[in-house]
Amino acid sequence: GAVVSQHPSWVICKSGTSVKIECRSLDFQATTMFWYRQFPKQSLMLMATSNEGSKATYEQGVEKDKFLINHASLTLSTLTVTSAHPEDSSFYICSASRPGLAIPYEQYFGPGTRLTVT
Amino acid sequence: QKEVEQNSGPLSVPEGAIASLNCTYSDRVSQSFFWYRQYSGKSPELIMSIYSNGDKEDGRFTAQLNKASQYVSLLIRDSQPSDSATYLCAVPFSGGYNKLIFGAGTRLAVHP
Repeated sequence: GAVVSQHPSWVICKSGTSVKIECRSLDFQATTMFWYRQFPKQSLMLMATSNEGSKATYEQGVEKDKFLINHASLTLSTLTVTSAHPEDSSFYICSASRPGLAIPYEQYFGPGTRLTVT
Repeated sequence: QKEVEQNSGPLSVPEGAIASLNCTYSDRVSQSFFWYRQYSGKSPELIMSIYSNGDKEDGRFTAQLNKASQYVSLLIRDSQPSDSATYLCAVPFSGGYNKLIFGAGTRLAVHP
């Protein structure tokens, strides 16, 4: 299988502070990692796509200066929510794509990080 | 037209019945298709991938692909209450970046 981990699984922070979320592919090297956000009872929303060593590609409407993404290695990507506000409270989920698959584009999701901003 | 369309449900089926979930997509050149299962409060889990026309079976799950009609379906045989979840259909984005376009999902409720 392909295992993706996220840390922390949940975090509570005060308004105005920054929070970093880590996403790791544990048993494969991920060429591409993705960050999603999901509000309660709503669909997955892709925030950005990142490739190792390159700048992330953000989806329309996602503030790149607020959601900083660093893809430092083939197994680690981080999302930093800067100057968090209560409206940033959400479920943040990463996924990773593995090269050389028989069926390309398969994505494996991490368990998600629940962020609450007070 | 949305790129990937699914009936939001809920689709309610009795335990032991066959649940049939459908998905239509707009991009004719899509080559691979995915079904994910998402339990409430959890992240999505890949359950089926398919890229050839026809059926692909894996345990109680069967994915059916019809590229000419641009639809892909997921059948769950002998449905169990533990199958109650939201099922997401996903198709590669035609513009590249290796990203997937997800449908809004169909909520399945299997009742005893």
